[in-house]
Amino acid sequence: RKEVEQDPGPFNVPEGATVAFNCTYSNSASQSFFWYRQDCRKEPKLLMSVYSSGNEDGRFTAQLNRASQYISLLIRDSKLSDSATYLCVVYMDTGRRALTFGSGTRLQVQP
Amino acid sequence: SQTIHQWPATLVQPVGSPLSLECTVEGTSNPNLYWYRQAAGRGLQLLFYSVGIGQISSEVPQNLSASRPQDRQFILSSKKLLLSDSGFYLCASLRDRGETQYFGPGTRLLVL
Repeated sequence: RKEVEQDPGPFNVPEGATVAFNCTYSNSASQSFFWYRQDCRKEPKLLMSVYSSGNEDGRFTAQLNRASQYISLLIRDSKLSDSATYLCVVYMDTGRRALTFGSGTRLQVQP
Repeated sequence: SQTIHQWPATLVQPVGSPLSLECTVEGTSNPNLYWYRQAAGRGLQLLFYSVGIGQISSEVPQNLSASRPQDRQFILSSKKLLLSDSGFYLCASLRDRGETQYFGPGTRLLVL
């Protein structure tokens, strides 16, 4: 079983739509959670952290359910510029302090 | 804030040739540094990480090696490239006192 699992998509949605991505993680000792965005042929960039109480940044809302070990990202009022791959990322405080990345969910927003 | 430089941006190499990819970091000191590889359409695979000069940990057995000769320099090498070494190589630095990572722009390697 993969440590972090995501639906690869693609999700094809019209402009203005609301779209939700889910992600599950296998290690209950995971401590921190993030969503990164990766544009085609570019490096990943941090989109937002995910807090237990849920958090919002403009059109983006992230939720964490520790009991079920899943993380979600909601994008409201989708823009063409939101088209990208969204990576679910988990951190555990081991010696290497490295992140574990999901394979990503691809979003294509259509005009 | 941190800036990560990687070069070259794109590289085409024949099978069996050597490889050297360089990563340098600005705007921080004594960072944790990481090399990732991303195969086409796949997720990021951690290859190596380093917590300090001369300290390298390997995550998976492979045809590659890494070195950290200076605090803010991280090098990925191979003596003989394989076809399976093709991919997008990303250098990353851990954010100061945090858990998120900054990535360099990456090097796209094609082994023919």
